[in-house]
Amino acid sequence: GQQLNQSPQSMFIQEGEDVSMNCTSSSIFNTWLWYKQDPGEGPVLLIALYKAGELTSNGRLTAQFGITRKDSFLNISASIPSDVGIYFCAGQLSGNQFYFGTGTSLTVIP
Amino acid sequence: GAVVSQHPSWVICKSGTSVKIECRSLDFQATTMFWYRQFPKQSLMLMATSNEGSKATYEQGVEKDKFLINHASLTLSTLTVTSAHPEDSSFYICSSFPVYNEQFFGPGTRLTVL
Repeated sequence: GQQLNQSPQSMFIQEGEDVSMNCTSSSIFNTWLWYKQDPGEGPVLLIALYKAGELTSNGRLTAQFGITRKDSFLNISASIPSDVGIYFCAGQLSGNQFYFGTGTSLTVIP
Repeated sequence: GAVVSQHPSWVICKSGTSVKIECRSLDFQATTMFWYRQFPKQSLMLMATSNEGSKATYEQGVEKDKFLINHASLTLSTLTVTSAHPEDSSFYICSSFPVYNEQFFGPGTRLTVL
């Protein structure tokens, strides 16, 4: 199936730094979702975006639905060790059609 | 958020045996559930869409006879890996969406085939 282009593939940052990652696609999506996955567990939904241009925050996380509906970014401010994990974006085309990004592995160095 | 459970969380089996994985929606009714497969350090790959009361829809390249899906009720879908082989070892995750455009995932099942 289709996959979204997610970057960067991995990040190593110092605790306290801000993080930014993004997803792009050649297709227009109706919904963008951001997930975090810890090792050996299923992805957990962080933020859902429904409208082009929408900017939504969840604690230290902020995500935006690109105005073209073909991209989205996720920012994490003041990173902490528990932010470690793999972050996936997902786009919904219509109905049951969801597509996932390739993932961004985040490592936070204390 | 909505709760999706999976059982077992991990399973080890011998080559040639069949393994059944259950996916349950605990606080909502799920007419549709998804089954994904994930290899280490890779993204989720959709295997099939499970539809309550009807046949599952499989993605291209996924063997229907190998990965049997049954969605007999609004809260339960099962994935049976038949005649498992070592190459079937993977992390299997189910999901559903109680809200139209938000998917919630189960905790996953780690399958190891010896």
